[in-house]
Amino acid sequence: GQQVMQIPQYQHVQEGEDFTTYCNSSTTLSNIQWYKQRPGGHPVFLIQLVKSGEVKKQKRLTFQFGEAKKNSSLHITATQTTDVGTYFCAGLNSGYSTLTFGKGTMLLVSP
Amino acid sequence: KAGVTQTPRYLIKTRGQQVTLSCSPISGHRSVSWYQQTPGQGLQFLFEYFSETQRNKGNFPGRFSGRQFSNSRSEMNVSTLELGDSALYLCASSLDKAGNTEAFFGQGTRLTVV
Repeated sequence: GQQVMQIPQYQHVQEGEDFTTYCNSSTTLSNIQWYKQRPGGHPVFLIQLVKSGEVKKQKRLTFQFGEAKKNSSLHITATQTTDVGTYFCAGLNSGYSTLTFGKGTMLLVSP
Repeated sequence: KAGVTQTPRYLIKTRGQQVTLSCSPISGHRSVSWYQQTPGQGLQFLFEYFSETQRNKGNFPGRFSGRQFSNSRSEMNVSTLELGDSALYLCASSLDKAGNTEAFFGQGTRLTVV
């Protein structure tokens, strides 16, 4: 079945440092979504990428979708303590018609 | 606009019992998906219902079942509970089929099996 791998599993940074999480799928994706879950909270949608090579920005967050539509990344510039949480990618595989979540990257930011 | 509502928020059950969890999606949303979340395992897909039909099912035993009503509200049932079923159960609703549009998650039901 489809697998979505996400690395790293955990990252601890100092406030102001950059952060990147990577997502890799075993199959070609129709699209990929990113979610953020704050500690004790529920996942909240951040963005959806559809096109090969697509790059989208939301303030300090930059999302990329690979040319082969099998990988994606989320980069946060100059992290803040409000960025703390777990970031999940979720890939939609048209063949399986299922949305598969990665295991997430937990980000801890120290002031 | 009301968000996704899950009830109850917390449950404690004994091994062998059965449990029913409820999810009320955002008005107008036709898709409801259920996920099991445990530390280190991320979000494990249970099933998706779309317009009252089970559209997809994850790799969970038959003890896990669900249904969706005509008003899009969904329930999931777990029979013969095991200790390993202790987890946060999240439901997510979306306007279209899961993955096509953004999913809105409920607060979850925290199930503890003792």
